[in-house]
Amino acid sequence: GAVVSQHPSRVICKSGTSVKIECRSLDFQATTMFWYRQFPKQSLMLMATSNEGSKATYEQGVEKDKFLINHASLTLSTLTVTSAHPEDSSFYICSASREGYGYTFGSGTRLTVV
Amino acid sequence: GQQLNQSPQSMFIQEGEDVSMNCTSSSIFNTWLWYKQEPGEGPVLLIALYKAGELTSNGRLTAQFGITRKDSFLNISASIPSDVGIYFCAGLPRQLTFGSGTQLTVLP
Repeated sequence: GAVVSQHPSRVICKSGTSVKIECRSLDFQATTMFWYRQFPKQSLMLMATSNEGSKATYEQGVEKDKFLINHASLTLSTLTVTSAHPEDSSFYICSASREGYGYTFGSGTRLTVV
Repeated sequence: GQQLNQSPQSMFIQEGEDVSMNCTSSSIFNTWLWYKQEPGEGPVLLIALYKAGELTSNGRLTAQFGITRKDSFLNISASIPSDVGIYFCAGLPRQLTFGSGTQLTVLP
C-alpha cells in the first residue's frame, strides 16, 4: 500500500528559531499534499494544501508567512515553522494524495517550542 | 463550512463487547472515510465508503454510508484491547474534513 514518511517524529526547538518538517511519499507520486495540525484531545485541522510546483493554499486563519510550505517534487513537501513560539507547539501531520491512492497520512511530528 | 459531528466523544467498554459510533454532516458528502489514530501516530485508514447505502466490512469493522449522504456509522464487533485508540470519521468533497473523534477504551 501507499506509504508516507514524515521526519522528524519529534523536535524540540527554542522560541524564535525555525523548524523544518519533511513529508515524503515513498512508493507513489503525490499530486497533492496536505498539512494538518492537531492539538491534544482535538481533531485534525487542515492548515494548507499544496500541489507540486505551485503555491500552497492556506486555510483561513493560518499565517502563510509563518508556516512556509514547499512542494518541490511529486514525492516531497516541507513545512517550515518560522520564528516558532510556544503556542506553535503541536502535533503536525502530513497527508499525500493521488487519484487511485486515496489519502495516506504520515506518522506525525511532535513539535515542542521552549 | 462543512462540519462533522461525531458521537460519542468517548467510550469505555468491556473486552468482547460491540461498539458503534457515528458521524453526521450538515452537508452532503460523496465519500466517507474512517480512520484510527493511536497515540503519537498519524491516522490509519480503516474503511472507505463511496456510495450512498454502501456497507463495507474490514475484519471486525463494518461501516455504512448513509442513504441521505449526510451520515455514516462504524461498528466494531467483539472488541479486543488493541482496538484502543481514537476513531475519526472524515468526509469529502472539497477537502478531507475530520470529525471530532471517538476515544475508545477497552477494559479487560
